Amino acid sequence: DQQVKQNSPSLSVQEGRISILNCDYTNSMFDYFLWYKKYPAEGPTFLISISSIKDKNEDGRFTVFLNKSAKHLSLHIVPSQPGDSAVYFCAARKYDYKLSFGAGTTVTVRA
Amino acid sequence: DTAVSQTPKYLVTQMGNDKSIKCEQNLGHDTMYWYKQDSKKFLKIMFSYNNKELIINETVPNRFSPKSPDKAHLNLHINSLELGDSAVYFCASSEMGEKLFFGSGTQLSVL
Repeated sequence: DQQVKQNSPSLSVQEGRISILNCDYTNSMFDYFLWYKKYPAEGPTFLISISSIKDKNEDGRFTVFLNKSAKHLSLHIVPSQPGDSAVYFCAARKYDYKLSFGAGTTVTVRA
Repeated sequence: DTAVSQTPKYLVTQMGNDKSIKCEQNLGHDTMYWYKQDSKKFLKIMFSYNNKELIINETVPNRFSPKSPDKAHLNLHINSLELGDSAVYFCASSEMGEKLFFGSGTQLSVL
């Protein structure tokens, strides 16, 4: 039973444009959300997070938006750069600190 | 100097064999994890140790046995390997409740 869903397996975007990655969750007990980025043959690396008490968190080119009523979060990357080509995982955490991950979205930034 | 290192990176073995994957972190974290990335690309938690004590034990066959000799090391031993065990296994560490730092993964192929 997947509690975190990334329904778009892939996204292609032109360099300089905005990348928008979406994530939906089903468990209202999640209180903390994270995005991880993964390059081939490497482990995921932390990108940005947001607490359930906020609706937006920004870090440089990366912004995460949280809509609790819709159980939806999104990651915006502006402007997209070739080095952003990677797999992006959405993750959510409950009080027990277990992280539930989505299946990932592969982003390809075209020159 | 790698923060979370796991060995081997690739492991090819026959069904029925016993194998181990080792993990070490030099971040001074108290908590370590094993995650499995299956064929559908979901990252699922298997085990977590906090200061050498098992705190998370998901529904994993008892052929999988984690061992934490100290808080910087968490090894995974797998007995009687099966075809379905083929996956990428990631070790991770964190301060309790904080973001995870992942190793680069071990690609296990059971023939």
